Amino acid sequence: QVQLQESGPRLVKPSQTLSLTCTVSGGSISSGTYYWTWIRQPAGKGLEWIGRIFTSGITKYNDSLKSRVTILLDTSKNQISLNLSSVTAADTAMYYCTRDVYSSGWRWFDPWGPGTLVTVSS
Amino acid sequence: DIQMTQSPSSLSASVGDRVTITCRSSQSISRYLNWYQQKPGIAPKLLIYAASSLQSGVPSRFSGSGSGTDFILTISSLQPEDFATYYCQQSQSTPRTFGQGTKVEIK
Repeated sequence: QVQLQESGPRLVKPSQTLSLTCTVSGGSISSGTYYWTWIRQPAGKGLEWIGRIFTSGITKYNDSLKSRVTILLDTSKNQISLNLSSVTAADTAMYYCTRDVYSSGWRWFDPWGPGTLVTVSS
Repeated sequence: DIQMTQSPSSLSASVGDRVTITCRSSQSISRYLNWYQQKPGIAPKLLIYAASSLQSGVPSRFSGSGSGTDFILTISSLQPEDFATYYCQQSQSTPRTFGQGTKVEIK
């Protein structure tokens, strides 16, 4: 059973880079037809798709964040990383790592990590 | 981007009630529609994928229907553990987008 766990600094200063890691256990990030995905959720608000990376390393980002986002795979550590540069208070949110599963022509997000709350503040 | 709109934004219901939540997409998405349940402080949990397929382990009181632009999530008999926020999500194209959520509260 695949499990995901986000980690990284909980407090980031404005204008700096937010860096998070998602560690995957119970399966290899290099196998299967999965997109490894980051999603965020500001407190009390809805869910925003940040972007994804395929097992081949090909990425796709939300245009709203594209200029600031980088998602990478580290197959040696079975981890997916998220870097978000030039952060502001608007980037304060719970950040989730999830797997975009493909099966029989359909796609969905499962499982999800528990999430990590990142606050942008000086 | 495909916009997803849920209604209502919130509802109050009693244990045993039948509850329906509607999700509408800004363009046709066939059946590329998923439903998630989220409880406070916990990550979303997949309930329904491909508009009507029940995720393994999810109680059969949950069901989904619809195709094209209009979708419904139904809880046939609301249980205490079902009080949560529910989100629809389209998986036809990127960026993946979610509805704004429907909070189901205790009456």
